[in-house]
Amino acid sequence: GAVVSQHPSWVICKSGTSVKIECRSLDFQATTMFWYRQFPKQSLMLMATSNEGSKATYEQGVEKDKFLINHASLTLSTLTVTSAHPEDSSFYICSARDPRGSAREQYFGPGTRLTVT
Amino acid sequence: AQKITQTQPGMFVQEKEAVTLDCTYDTSDPSYGLFWYKQPSSGEMIFLIYQGSYDQQNATEGRYSLNFQKARKSANLVISASQLGDSAMYFCAMREGLDNQGGKLIFGQGTELSVKP
Repeated sequence: GAVVSQHPSWVICKSGTSVKIECRSLDFQATTMFWYRQFPKQSLMLMATSNEGSKATYEQGVEKDKFLINHASLTLSTLTVTSAHPEDSSFYICSARDPRGSAREQYFGPGTRLTVT
Repeated sequence: AQKITQTQPGMFVQEKEAVTLDCTYDTSDPSYGLFWYKQPSSGEMIFLIYQGSYDQQNATEGRYSLNFQKARKSANLVISASQLGDSAMYFCAMREGLDNQGGKLIFGQGTELSVKP
């Protein structure tokens, strides 16, 4: 089946720095990708919808200036956490839908664990 | 308003027995899809089963079956013959609309299943 990759799988950064997370669809083109955040023992919360060639759509309460999303190509979306703070420490997961596939085919990346010290 | 509700934060089941994980949803869109994912401690999201709103029969995938009761807006997951490896978090999710673009998923709170030997 289709695969979505994320890089890095984990990252530790210092407070105040920025960190970029990549999400790639490996064998299909995704005009739309989704970014989720998950705190320990909690659900996945949708942060934003990443649209190729246009601005991302952010969910209510998500700071667009803090979580920069760039969907530069049909296979790559990036999430940049700017001026990271310890409260940004979380598990970030991306997902994408293969438009060629059936309605059930929604693929998730393996996730990126971010720790801000 | 919560669109996906999982009322069981934690469940225990004896190995080899069946277990039902509850999920109710709320939508006014006649077209939607319902998903169940398993998330082990590694964090990866493993697709288990999908039910489309227009599907006449309940979905089944091996040991997993979805008890779809449209009028009650419930989509409970039944795992038969539980195995120790089934211990994980389980999430119910909904995608509104059945178009080939987009596809954001809204997740329930999750149920932590523990299988006892």
